[in-house]
Parts: sequence; structure tokens; C-alpha cells
Amino acid sequence: KQEVTQIPAALSVPEGENLVLNCSFTDSAIYNLQWFRQDPGKGLTSLLLIQSSQREQTSGRLNASLDKSSGRSTLYIAASQPGDSATYLCAVNVLGGATNKLIFGTGTLLAVQP
Amino acid sequence: DGGITQSPKYLFRKEGQNVTLSCEQNLNHDAMYWYRQDPGQGLRLIYYSQIVNDFQKGDIAEGYSVSREKKESFPLTVTSAQKNPTAFYLCASSPPGAGAYEQYFGPGTRLTVT
Repeated sequence: KQEVTQIPAALSVPEGENLVLNCSFTDSAIYNLQWFRQDPGKGLTSLLLIQSSQREQTSGRLNASLDKSSGRSTLYIAASQPGDSATYLCAVNVLGGATNKLIFGTGTLLAVQP
Repeated sequence: DGGITQSPKYLFRKEGQNVTLSCEQNLNHDAMYWYRQDPGQGLRLIYYSQIVNDFQKGDIAEGYSVSREKKESFPLTVTSAQKNPTAFYLCASSPPGAGAYEQYFGPGTRLTVT
């Protein structure tokens, strides 16, 4: 059974710092991995999608990497800003069947202090 | 503007009552999903639908029911059989087919049952 773990559960950094969020998964049989941002009481905003054949994806100050063989992904945020404060969720899209089924981690709550 | 709408944002019900949560999308996506989010837990899949008039149970379908009569709409009914209905409910959609596509999320409905 696929399990997704995110470490740390919470992180507080000063503004301007570069930071890394970690996501690990137990089964490497995935289609892709998706990183989301969730603000308090809101829905999820997709940040980056990495297909299983890719090693990394970049969008602005965000860079996500994928090492499928070791079951790990990282989300790198450069030059953090207070507006980056949110919960970051990773989810893997499992292989098998006709579904586009996501298995989510429990998230990392990020606070960027001004 | 293309997107997913969920209504209402907040919903309050008495125990023993059924309640229906609305989800509408104008992204022309075939696949739609319902997730439940509880504090400290990742999102869990309740039901999903790959095409009109077809839907499948997810990991926690007990106490819930859905219908998919139109491509744009995927309402979720929380029945009185659901033992812990208070939660944040998120609807998502994606293009059809296994694996390759991002899921897009609505803003969520927070249901409180007392």
C-alpha cells in the first residue's frame, strides 16, 4: 500500500532564506508526483507536476525534484517571502487501473517570518 | 474564467440529516473527484467519476453517495450513516485517462454537524 510522508510537519524560517521541503513515498510505481499549496481554509493550488520520467520541474522560485528509485521528492523554495506561508502538500499518482488516483502526504506547514 | 466552484463555503447540519455538497466545473474535464480533509491527516478519496453516469468508490466511501448526470456537476451527499461527517470537503477534476494529468481543486466546503 502506497504511503506518503512529509518531513518536517512544520517549519519556520526568516524571510529571504532558501528552504527545502521533503516528501517520501513507499512504492516507486507512480505516474507522477504533484506539489500543492494550501492556504488556511482554502482549496489546493497546484504548484508543480513531475512525471515519473522526469527528474525535476521549475516554476519561478520553486524547484521540485523526483528520485523515483529512492521514493523521494523535494520542493526547493528560493529567497522565501512571507507570502509563501502556507501548508505544502505532496501527492503521488499511483500506477494501475484507469484512475487518476492521488495519495497525499499530511503536509508541511511553512511560516516565513518578516 | 475556467475553474471549479463548490457551494456553500460553510454548511451546518444537525446530526441525522442528509446534506448535499455542490461541485461544478467548466474546464470540460471528464474526471471528477471528492476528497475529505481532517486536521493532521492528508486528503482521502471518497468517490471519483471518470465519465458521465459512472462513478467508483474511493478509500472512504461509506456513508456517502454521489451522482454524475452531467459532465459539469458531481454532487456529494453526506448521509446520516456517515459517523464523523464534520470535515473539509474538496472537489477536484482532471482530464480523462490514467496517470498523466494534474488535478485541479475547488475552494472546498467546510461541513459541521452537531
